[in-house]
Amino acid sequence: EVQLVQSGGGLVQPGGSLRLSCAASGFTFSDYWMSWVRQAPGKGLEWVASIKQDGSDKNHVDSVKGRFTISRDNAKNSLYLQMNSLRAEDTAVYYCARSNAGYSWGQGTLVTVSS
Amino acid sequence: DIQMTQSPSSLSASVGDRVTITCRASQGISNYLAWFQQKPGKAPKSLISAASSLQSGVPSKFSGSGSGTDFTLTISSLQPEDFATYYCQQYYSFPLTFGGGTKVEIK
Repeated sequence: EVQLVQSGGGLVQPGGSLRLSCAASGFTFSDYWMSWVRQAPGKGLEWVASIKQDGSDKNHVDSVKGRFTISRDNAKNSLYLQMNSLRAEDTAVYYCARSNAGYSWGQGTLVTVSS
Repeated sequence: DIQMTQSPSSLSASVGDRVTITCRASQGISNYLAWFQQKPGKAPKSLISAASSLQSGVPSKFSGSGSGTDFTLTISSLQPEDFATYYCQQYYSFPLTFGGGTKVEIK
């Protein structure tokens, strides 16, 4: 069974940092692009970042470029999102997803940026 | 950036109805189109990828069609568990983009 189990998240002050993690199992992690998608309260889905199978290619939405970094560790079957200089508008539920086509999703983790 | 426009943004339907949701891309995306179902407080669930390929375990009442710029998701006979919000997403090029969603409600 494919599983994506997320950890990290929580309440952080504006300007602060957080690291989200996503542990994968049930499939060959190194065979897939992986992505992060977020959903602000009451809003639709917004793609955040994607990373190629070997980590050699990364893409981020313009609104997070220079602040967020996607990474992966294929030896640990894990995906990460390092979030720095957080802003109130980054408040959202963050999901990890298998592939750019979203074949399967993590359970989501809430990030709240507030003083 | 490729804009994805979904319509309608919401609809009311009865159990047993046939429902069609459309998604239009601002430029051609071949068949790099996915559909998701999301229920309140839950993660999205993949229904269809490559415009028309049903994901494993998804019932055949869901179907997708289209290529290029115009796509549709059809639910052949709406059941109580199908009331949810549906999203399309293009994965033809970065930035990946989603439609605004279609909320399917009970009439």
